[in-house]
This record gives sequence, structure tokens and C-alpha cells, in this order.
Amino acid sequence: GAGVSQSPSNKVTEKGKDVELRCDPISGHTALYWYRQSLGQGLEFLIYFQGNSAPDKSGLPSDRFSAERTGGSVSTLTIQRTQQEDSAVYLCASTRTGSGNTIYFGEGSWLTVV
Amino acid sequence: AQKITQTQPGMFVQEKEAVTLDCTYDTSDPSYGLFWYKQPSSGEMIFLIYQGSYDQQNATEGRYSLNFQKARKSANLVISASQLGDSAMYFCAMREAGRTGTASKLTFGTGTRLQVTL
Repeated sequence: GAGVSQSPSNKVTEKGKDVELRCDPISGHTALYWYRQSLGQGLEFLIYFQGNSAPDKSGLPSDRFSAERTGGSVSTLTIQRTQQEDSAVYLCASTRTGSGNTIYFGEGSWLTVV
Repeated sequence: AQKITQTQPGMFVQEKEAVTLDCTYDTSDPSYGLFWYKQPSSGEMIFLIYQGSYDQQNATEGRYSLNFQKARKSANLVISASQLGDSAMYFCAMREAGRTGTASKLTFGTGTRLQVTL
């Protein structure tokens, strides 16, 4: 498709399990972002990729969270030993380089930790 | 300090009326972009309008316009002729060019929930 694609769209996992969330950005977009949004809250920045490198990972809440991007395209956000407070929507966005370019969001991965 | 401030947690507007959603920002970077997104109850983030710091004219996109007052660091969204489908959360965001000029993360405000009534 033409937009940012995220999978899974919904994930229910047991506390303590690991989860992987995938983001496939728009073709040609060099910048990729991960955000988290808890119910009724604003968007919390997690990590930003420029190509395959992450110049800003300041938003990752703990060492249980990690992300990688390969081939300048697909990115995976991994949450190890999930906790109930990790329950949120994880949003991925992509854009071309440059502050003036529109940033497009995927539909999000809804994570519920039970 | 907050980089993006949205002081209106909730707003009501009657159908067909215009409404202004406030946004102020804080940056020392001379090059930046300002964005407005709409988030309906379905959760998707829908891009509405963009204003660059060097743009001379206020941005417009259909019923959306951005009232950009650079000296006041204000970027208010104006929605004209409100429709019931405009009921949603609205987020203001900023992206600074940074030292390398390649831009970085998008910083969001806390959002304004708009409710359009009959």
C-alpha cells in the first residue's frame, strides 16, 4: 500500500512475555519515528531513525524497549518482559528528510498486556 | 519548558460555525515546521495542515487554515463551517531542523478535544 503499514493491528499478551511490533514506512522515506499513546493521553516520543541509525532514542522508557531498522526501511520495536503499564497504542510515522516534509502516521498497533 | 502548548483541553462549537484551536510553541531554532493532526475516535492520526517557519503566508487547506503569528510563537488552527465529522482530538506539533539541518522528532502538544454540536 501507499501508506505507513503497522502490524499487528492488535496484540494481547501476557505480562512477562516479549512482543515485536513492525512498521513498514512509505517507500523512499528516510526518517521513521515511534510514538506511544496511552488511553486518553497525548503522544509520547520513543525513538527516531534517520536511515538505519537512531540519532535520538531518548524516549525509550526503559532497557526493556529496543528498536531497530534495517535496509533503511522496515523497523521493529521490541518490548521485553512486558508490563501492564506498557499497554498503549504504538504509532509509527515516516517522512522524507527535512523539517518541511509532511509526516505520515500508520494506524497503530494496539497493545494490551494482561 | 513545554515546546508545544495547547491550553484548551476541550472545545465545543455549533455545526456550521468557525472555531479556533490555540497552539503556542517554544524554539530557538530559526528553521522549523508546525503541523496540525486530527485524531478521531478510531485512533488514526490524520495530517491536516503544515506551516514552515519561513513561509510568508498563512497555510490553508480547504476548511482548515493556520493563523501563524511568528513573533508571538503562535500557530492556531481555524476550522471554518464546522461539521459533525470534525469532532475529534486535535494535536499541534513542531519539528525543528536542528544543528544538522536534517530535522528530528515531531514534538506534540497535549491536544484539544473538539465536539461539534447540532
